[in-house]
Amino acid sequence: EPEVTQTPSHQVTQMGQEVILRCVPISNHLYFYWYRQILGQKVEFLVSFYNNEISEKSEIFDDQFSVERPDGSNFTLKIRSTKLEDSAMYFCASSDPGQPNEKLFFGSGTQLSVL
Amino acid sequence: QKEVEQNSGPLSVPEGAIASLNCTYSDRGSQSFFWYRQYSGKSPELIMSIYSNGDKEDGRFTAQLNKASQYVSLLIRDSQPSDSATYLCAVNRSGAGSYQLTFGKGTKLSVIP
Repeated sequence: EPEVTQTPSHQVTQMGQEVILRCVPISNHLYFYWYRQILGQKVEFLVSFYNNEISEKSEIFDDQFSVERPDGSNFTLKIRSTKLEDSAMYFCASSDPGQPNEKLFFGSGTQLSVL
Repeated sequence: QKEVEQNSGPLSVPEGAIASLNCTYSDRGSQSFFWYRQYSGKSPELIMSIYSNGDKEDGRFTAQLNKASQYVSLLIRDSQPSDSATYLCAVNRSGAGSYQLTFGKGTKLSVIP
């Protein structure tokens, strides 16, 4: 089965630093997403991206966050100035509504630790 | 505030028994409904999706949806120790295309050999 690839698997940063989380969605998928899960909490939607622009975002996705598709394969999440409460597992996902049995494919996640 | 509520468990069942997981949601505009399985430290894995009222069966899994009661359930027949995981209920307001999912906190299932 095709896979969404995320790098790195673990990222440790100091509070106030910028971090970029990287994802390679499944090729020919059209929608890209970031979700996060704070330890012991529920999975939360951050943002969806379609046709090179944000299509939906949650209240969590404030001005400290941005997303970009810098080329034809990568999809990134940037946190401009990290806070302690940004520590979480961040999941990238992609989907293609045109496919039969279409579903949301999650990557394996990046565990972000802000110290 | 769109909410998805699940009993956090843990739910313990003996091997071979039926496990019953329940979920309620607050947003009446929800169009599609999903059950994911999540092992500790791993990403959610889709088990079942359901879009219309009634039952949907796939192997040992049956999803049930009642939109009037805003209720979704998952039955796991012949439970196996490998089914031990956290089961996440998720709902999507979008009928097709975009997956802006609202997740519940999950029910931890433990299948005892």
